Amino acid sequence: AQRVTQPEKLLSVFKGAPVELKCNYSYSGSPELFWYVQYSRQRLQLLLRHISRESIKGFTADLNKGETSFHLKKPFAQEEDSAMYYCALKKAGNTPLVFGKGTRLSVIA
Amino acid sequence: EAGVAQSPRYKIIEKRQSVAFWCNPISGHATLYWYQQILGQGPKLLIQFQNNGVVDDSQLPKDRFSAERLKGVDSTLKIQPAKLEDSAVYLCASSLAPEETQYFGPGTRLLVL
Repeated sequence: AQRVTQPEKLLSVFKGAPVELKCNYSYSGSPELFWYVQYSRQRLQLLLRHISRESIKGFTADLNKGETSFHLKKPFAQEEDSAMYYCALKKAGNTPLVFGKGTRLSVIA
Repeated sequence: EAGVAQSPRYKIIEKRQSVAFWCNPISGHATLYWYQQILGQGPKLLIQFQNNGVVDDSQLPKDRFSAERLKGVDSTLKIQPAKLEDSAVYLCASSLAPEETQYFGPGTRLLVL
């Protein structure tokens, strides 16, 4: 069965510092990978998906099939980036999202 | 557009009682999902509907959990009888189609005492 691992429960960085939230997955096929974010007192929402190859709010994520990783990166963290971040995987077709346990990012002023 | 609506937002019950949660998806969204999120975990899919039909309920504890989406719009998730380990946030999400972006509701926080 597919699995998503986010090794850090909490990540604290200073404002302006680079951020990398790690996500590793186990799945032998070709997955779709996503990052979801939940800001304080807000709903869980999609941040980005690997197939769109976009940069959202300065965040990017590259799917590395060799390392089975989909790390989320931002060169300069902002206080408003403080939130809970979830990595999620979906097999092709009509299949459910499988979420990691999440990483809480805290950006310190 | 209005987002996914859920009620109630909070519920406290005693074990062995029953409870029901309601979800109203975004208008026009054919696919509806119920997730369970236990503290410290990511959301876990309980059941997925396509219109009023069940697509995936493989992780739904069917001895105590049930869900329906009779008219292909609103949905209800029921737990009867509740156990302590059912304490969690229950999230409803909807999407235009299974391959499209899922939009989440605010969740219902359940505490079973």
